Amino acid sequence: SAVISQKPSRDICQRGTSLTIQCQVDSQVTMMFWYRQQPGQSLTLIATANQGSEATYESGFVIDKFPISRPNLTFSTLTVSNMSPEDSSIYLCSVEGTGLNTEAFFGQGTRLTVV
Amino acid sequence: GESVGLHLPTLSVQEGDNSIINCAYSNSASDYFIWYKQESGKGPQFIIDIRSNMDKRQGQRVTVLLNKTVKHLSLQIAATQPGDSAVYFCAEGGENTGNQFYFGTGTSLTVIP
Repeated sequence: SAVISQKPSRDICQRGTSLTIQCQVDSQVTMMFWYRQQPGQSLTLIATANQGSEATYESGFVIDKFPISRPNLTFSTLTVSNMSPEDSSIYLCSVEGTGLNTEAFFGQGTRLTVV
Repeated sequence: GESVGLHLPTLSVQEGDNSIINCAYSNSASDYFIWYKQESGKGPQFIIDIRSNMDKRQGQRVTVLLNKTVKHLSLQIAATQPGDSAVYFCAEGGENTGNQFYFGTGTSLTVIP
């Protein structure tokens, strides 16, 4: 299993500002993923963070709004830019297990409230 | 992304009874399925998985059934306990989806003591 640390665990931000969420893994992993979980809803994949190249975004998510960094195999950041109240969600970092067809492990999430 | 949905958004069961949570998925190319449990304020935690070459897998008190013909997945929890109260998500993914996972709506399970 992988141990994933996310920070901040929660934040309250003013609209129009940006927040960067950090995700640290205790082992090297090839693939890291960022999810959003809006209140009372399921997890929606935002993007796959690729080491050494640009992130791959899912439909409905764009780099300008959610820039992602992946400087090495144990770390990634997700920035929520120019925030609005609609961005209030839990943001979760996830990593794949070792090998193909293995479970994904999740961090505890960052609870973001935009006011 | 793929569409994965659950039939029942909420489920209440008496302690000691068995629980069944259902899930429908849409991508026939998905070859790996996982059930996650999410307690309040925490990230999803792995419960059990199943690969597409199987139709049943058992764990401790949990069983996952996969029906590829109708693209249906279920999670059975035996002798449900208060600690089982949580939101349960199914996820589809696997090698054919680039190891990305797509999640269902979620079912909130409440165990009544």
